Amino acid sequence: GAVVSQHPSWVICKSGTSVKIECRSLDFQATTMFWYRQFPKQSLMLMATSNEGSKATYEQGVEKDKFLINHASLTLSTLTVTSAHPEDSSFYICSAGKRGSNQPQHFGDGTRLSIL
Amino acid sequence: QKEVEQNSGPLSVPEGAIASLNCTYSDRGSQSFFWYRQYSGKSPELIMSIYSNGDKEDGRFTAQLNKASQYVSLLIRDSQPSDSATYLCAVNINASYGKLTFGQGTILTVHP
Repeated sequence: GAVVSQHPSWVICKSGTSVKIECRSLDFQATTMFWYRQFPKQSLMLMATSNEGSKATYEQGVEKDKFLINHASLTLSTLTVTSAHPEDSSFYICSAGKRGSNQPQHFGDGTRLSIL
Repeated sequence: QKEVEQNSGPLSVPEGAIASLNCTYSDRGSQSFFWYRQYSGKSPELIMSIYSNGDKEDGRFTAQLNKASQYVSLLIRDSQPSDSATYLCAVNINASYGKLTFGQGTILTVHP
């Protein structure tokens, strides 16, 4: 299956810090990448859909100024959590897919973010 | 009504038994259906895709789709303790966006 690399896998930082998470599709051109957040014992929550070369589409209730998404190439999307606070601590997961395709999304390994 | 609903868990089966996981969806126009497995603390991994009515088998896994009933299921034969995980049903409701709608997940425990 397709390979999606997500980095870093674990981040611990102080409150107020901005954190950047990278998501790369290694073996296919991902026209669309998705960013999810998952709290303990809960299901995946889609935060935003990132299309290469255009602005991301955010789900209702997700602050676009806090969660900055950039998808500058077909293989790389980044999520920056700006001025992170303890309530932003969560498991962030990206996935990659192709717009107009009915093929499955392929997930990265996730980033566990802990804000002290 | 939720767009994608899974049978409430947790589900516990003995080793060697068949585990049956069920999922219903509300949008009759849905075209693509997926089952993901998620181990605790890990990201989801794809285990099955199904696009047309009927059964699709891959090793110990069988996905079943019935579009008329808006129902998709996953059977795991000869369940192993390593199958213990949360199973997520996902539906691609609008292929033009590729966006998946996930069920809430069913926790499966296979006990020796």
